[in-house]
Order: sequence, then C-alpha cells, then structure tokens
Amino acid sequence: QVQLQESGPGLVKPSETLSLTCSVAGGSITDSISSSYWNWVRQPPGKGLEWIGSISYSGNTRDNPALRGRVTLSSDTSKNQFFLRLSSMTATDTAVYYCARVSTNGGFDSWGQGALVTVSS
Amino acid sequence: DVQMTQSPPTLSASVGDEITITCRASQSIGIWVAWYQQRPGKAPKFLIYKASTLESGVPSRFSGSGSGTDFTLTISSLQPEDFATYYCQQYNNYPRTFGQGTTVEIK
Repeated sequence: QVQLQESGPGLVKPSETLSLTCSVAGGSITDSISSSYWNWVRQPPGKGLEWIGSISYSGNTRDNPALRGRVTLSSDTSKNQFFLRLSSMTATDTAVYYCARVSTNGGFDSWGQGALVTVSS
Repeated sequence: DVQMTQSPPTLSASVGDEITITCRASQSIGIWVAWYQQRPGKAPKFLIYKASTLESGVPSRFSGSGSGTDFTLTISSLQPEDFATYYCQQYNNYPRTFGQGTTVEIK
C-alpha cells in the first residue's frame, strides 16, 4: 500500500513561488510495471478539486494550461520524492494541495493527507 | 477542456435510502470516469474507475454506470458514513477535470 505525504510552507507571500514536496513510501516512483503517474491536485477552501499536473514514472510531465505556465514538476528518484513549484502566487492560489498517484486503473487511487497553503503578506 | 457537470449540487437523504448522482461530460469520454468520496477535512477516497468498476475494499452498495457523456453513481442503501461530498472525474483527456461535487446530507 503506497503512502504519500506532502510537506512545505503553510504560508507564502504574494508573487513568491510555492515549493512543495511529496514523499512516497511503499512503492517506487520509477516503477514502470505499475505505470504510475504522480500528481498534484488542489482544493480552495470550500470549493472543488483542480488537477495541477503530473510526472510519470519515466519523468515525463504534463500540467494544466489553466495555470498559464506557472507550474514546474520534478522528482528526485534517489529520495523517492516528487516536487511542485508554482510561481507568481496570488490569493486565489490559497488551497489545500494534495499529491496523489494514478496507476493502471486510471484514477487517483492513493492520496496524501493534504497541505494547506495560504497566500498572504 | 472537458467540463464535468454534476447534479444535484446537494442531496438530502435518510439512512437506508437509495440515491443517484449524475455526472455529464461536455464531450464523449468513453468509460474513462472515476468517482471519489470526500469527508470534511479529509483527502478524497477513490471509489470507482472505468465508470463502473469498484475499487478494492469499497462496499458493494456503491455502483457506477454510464458511457459517452452520461454517468451515474448510485448508493443503494445509505449508511451514516456515506454522508459526504462526491466527485466525478474524467481521465480521457488532459487536463484531467472534476465535477463540482455533490454533497449528500442528512435529511
């Protein structure tokens, strides 16, 4: 059973860059057999879910065009971690940020507990 | 982007009721739909994939159906732990998109 855990700052100033880490236990982020994709999803307070982007087991990335090129996804296979950087943060980026796995069934089958990020000066 | 429209936004029901939540896609997406349950303050929980396949460990009172643009999630006999918010999500196209959610509340 894979487990994911987000870590990062709870408070970010407007215009700054958010950096979040997702640490994965119980499975390798480079496992080609499970063909896993490692994702970021966010949820503003009281609102719905928004997919931010993903990085595959082979390092290929995709992100949501709605975020207008502000997203950088990367990974450190030696630490079994993957990362999100979101630039030019504004108050509308205040949300709980989740990391989540997609495996062969196609859905987000494992989630971290979420990290609340508030954008405020 | 594929828009996923859920209805109703809120549903009031009692323990033991059967309920159905509908999700409509803005274009045909085959069977590539997943459903999630989210309780307050918790991460979403994966329930169903490929529109109708139950994830391991999910109670059999949950079921999904549909293809193309119209999908449903049915709970056959509501239990106290089922009062939560439910989301559909398509994974036929990028960007992945979710419905806006349906909150099932106690009548």
